Amino acid sequence: SAVISQKPSRDICQRGTSLTIQCQVDSQVTMMFWYRQQPGQSLTLIATANQGSEATYESGFVIDKFPISRPNLTFSTLTVSNMSPEDSSIYLCSVFSGGEEGGYTFGSGTRLTVV
Amino acid sequence: GEDVEQSLFLSVREGDSSVINCTYTDSSSTYLYWYKQEPGAGLQLLTYIFSNMDMKQDQRLTVLLNKKDKHLSLRIADTQTGDSAIYFCALNQGGKLIFGQGTELSVKP
Repeated sequence: SAVISQKPSRDICQRGTSLTIQCQVDSQVTMMFWYRQQPGQSLTLIATANQGSEATYESGFVIDKFPISRPNLTFSTLTVSNMSPEDSSIYLCSVFSGGEEGGYTFGSGTRLTVV
Repeated sequence: GEDVEQSLFLSVREGDSSVINCTYTDSSSTYLYWYKQEPGAGLQLLTYIFSNMDMKQDQRLTVLLNKKDKHLSLRIADTQTGDSAIYFCALNQGGKLIFGQGTELSVKP
């Protein structure tokens, strides 16, 4: 299955600033997914990123707050813009890993704390 | 939309079996998954079951699927302290994973 390198692994940021999270996949994938995991909560899908087109955002998430880039089939970035303490979460990228199980592989996550 | 429910906590003694339960509302998912999240780490695909199966065994792990009751369970035999983690069930809805809230498994020596 695919291997994902995600960075940074953690960061502490000042409110009002922005942070860009990167995910690099060791193989070409059509779709990449970005999730948010708020403290003590489950994972919520933010958006799906396809190469060559605009990302598709889930209800409650907007492009101005979470702009996504997908310049090629192995790389994507998620930016958390104009951060507030409520954005403190773990952010994870994921790809469809294929195989008979149709499973998904996740990056190790970015633990963001906004102060 | 899909609703996936799990109990939040489970505590067992080392060597006992653990059973983590999950219920869901939408039965269209072809595969159902169990993911493990250790403290400070990402998600690791633990096991999965195809929707036309009732049971799948993989070493210490047994997955049971009751499609009639829309109930999925994960049994861990001979639970070890290294199994302490949060376990998420997940369903595939139109190419997107829908997760339960996660069950925090605590294994006491």
